[in-house]
Amino acid sequence: DVKVTQSSRYLVKRTGEKVFLECVQDMDHENMFWYRQDPGLGLRLIYFSYDVKMKEKGDIPEGYSVSREKKERFSLILESASTNQTSMYLCASSPTPGRDITDTQYFGPGTRLTVL
Amino acid sequence: RKEVEQDPGPFNVPEGATVAFNCTYSNSASQSFFWYRQDCRKEPKLLMSVYSSGNEDGRFTAQLNRASQYISLLIRDSKLSDSATYLCVVNIGGSYIPTFGRGTSLIVHP
Repeated sequence: DVKVTQSSRYLVKRTGEKVFLECVQDMDHENMFWYRQDPGLGLRLIYFSYDVKMKEKGDIPEGYSVSREKKERFSLILESASTNQTSMYLCASSPTPGRDITDTQYFGPGTRLTVL
Repeated sequence: RKEVEQDPGPFNVPEGATVAFNCTYSNSASQSFFWYRQDCRKEPKLLMSVYSSGNEDGRFTAQLNRASQYISLLIRDSKLSDSATYLCVVNIGGSYIPTFGRGTSLIVHP
């Protein structure tokens, strides 16, 4: 079974703090993603990475950065947390599609971040 | 126009009912299609892929209509445990990035 783990289930931070969210996958997937999910807005892509040290902005990258130094690990960084970054953060991974591989995404359990 | 649109619901149905959801997509280059299920406060999980010929998995049937650019999910004999949000996901050919609908909420009551 594919396993995607996230460093924390719940996190409470103060405005202005630097926040690190870690994600690790154990299936050697090339692609990794960070989303945030808010009521009524669905899943919104923050950043994704298709290889080590490669990253691309998603739909809402402002206020976030990412790091992928190893294939299995993708970190999301909030440089200076703000109250509007209170949300559920979901990490996902997927293989690169091939003849015998579908591009199904596998999600971690999520981190519910509250910024006070 | 949103790329992937779903009726948010909620669909409120009794146990044993048959319920169907549709999802429309705007990009005709879309090549792969999925339904995910998300329980309250949990992560989305793949329910089923959607193939051109349609596919069935127990009580669940997924269909693709390329001409009208929509996919559907049919749930027969609804169970209380089917209560969840169902997310439609579409991948454009050559892209690593799936596009998610906002989800349809299903509530199955006794």
